[in-house]
Parts: sequence; C-alpha cells; structure tokens
Amino acid sequence: QEQLVQSGSELKNPGASVKVSCKASGYTLTYYGMNWVRQAPGQGLEWMGWINTYTGDPTYAQAFTGRFVFSLDTSVSTAYLEISSLKAEDTAIYYCARSGATSGGNWFGPWGQGTLVTVSS
Amino acid sequence: QTVVTQEPSFSVSPGGTVTLTCGLSSGSVSTSYYPSWYQQTPGQAPRTLIHSTNVRSSGVPDRFSGSILGNKAALTITGAQADDESDYYCVLYMGSGLKVFGGGTKLTVL
Repeated sequence: QEQLVQSGSELKNPGASVKVSCKASGYTLTYYGMNWVRQAPGQGLEWMGWINTYTGDPTYAQAFTGRFVFSLDTSVSTAYLEISSLKAEDTAIYYCARSGATSGGNWFGPWGQGTLVTVSS
Repeated sequence: QTVVTQEPSFSVSPGGTVTLTCGLSSGSVSTSYYPSWYQQTPGQAPRTLIHSTNVRSSGVPDRFSGSILGNKAALTITGAQADDESDYYCVLYMGSGLKVFGGGTKLTVL
C-alpha cells in the first residue's frame, strides 16, 4: 500500500542544521506532490509548503521562507526537509504528506508518521 | 492575510450529531477551495477524513460527511462514538499551490 516513512527523532543544538527524510513506497514519488506540515508542541497543524516531485520546484508558505529547504532524491523515492540555523522555536513534529491523487492534489494523503525535532542546548 | 477559522472546541453526546465548520476571516468558502478534513488523536499523525468538500477517504465510515453550509465548509459526524474524540482540522486551497490549515477543533464526546 501507499506509505510514507519518515526518519527518526532528532536532537540538535541551536544554530545547527537538520535534514528530515520521507521515503515513499507503494507508488511512484514523482507522480504526486509532497507537502510538509509542522506541529509545534501543543499547537495546531501548519502547512509549510510543497514540492513538485516531477519538476523539483518547491513552494514555501510565507512563514517558511529562508531557512527551510525542500528537496528530493528520486533514485531512492525520498523527499527531504532541511532546516538551517535552528532555533528553539523550531522544536516541533514535522510531517510529510503526499498531495492527494484527485482534485488537483489539493488535499493530503497519505501522511508520514512524523519526525520530532528538538532544538536545545 | 486570510485566516481559516474553526470552533476551538465542541462537545457531543455519544450517539449524537455534531457539525464542525471551517470559514474564512474574509469571504465565503466554496467548493473552489477544495475543503478537506483531518482527524488527529494525541500522539498520532493526522488521518484524512474528507477531501474535495464531500469525498470520504478510503476506510472512513459514512457517519463522517462533508458539505458547504452557508458560507462555510462543514464536517458532520452522525452517531458520534467515544473514539471520535479527537482534534479536527480543515484545510482550504487558496490558489497558486497554497494551502492553509484552520486552527483546529477539539471535539469532546461525553
């Protein structure tokens, strides 16, 4: 079945970088876009943006420009989220979520299990 | 900046019916916003319930339904069960590839 499996939890110092992976299985990565969603502790879900997995073009939500980069390695069916110059407020669970297979992909499904990134010295 | 609005909390009795809504701080929600709904229980990844206003995702019971009610998108749960107690989020498509989550509704079944 179609599935997204994310990399494990990360503990990073402020100022460091982190790269979260999201491996797709059960379908061809480049057929559907990939979205990234953040959930800070005790907070709601926040759409960070998406990457067109066919062209590699990323689109970032306004709050996620500058330190956030979406990328792909299609040879291993994996999408990546890299965050640089980490701050304490980047502490959150990060989810990848595929763009839906219908209606122009304007919805999310399936979802990865989430990756907890903790930024602390 | 347009804000997507949801009720912060709602409660329903077991077996009852509840309608959660998803609106805009400015303007009306229509099918052109492709409203979708997600359920999240504590410690779990979100689960897709409804997309494209009223299409149930695979495996979702038919007691979950989506619609447009007035100027908002709506998620109706008919015959609420204890395990429906969750956070519910809507997403609206804003065009140009941009999507926005609502703030979420915490549903209590009691």
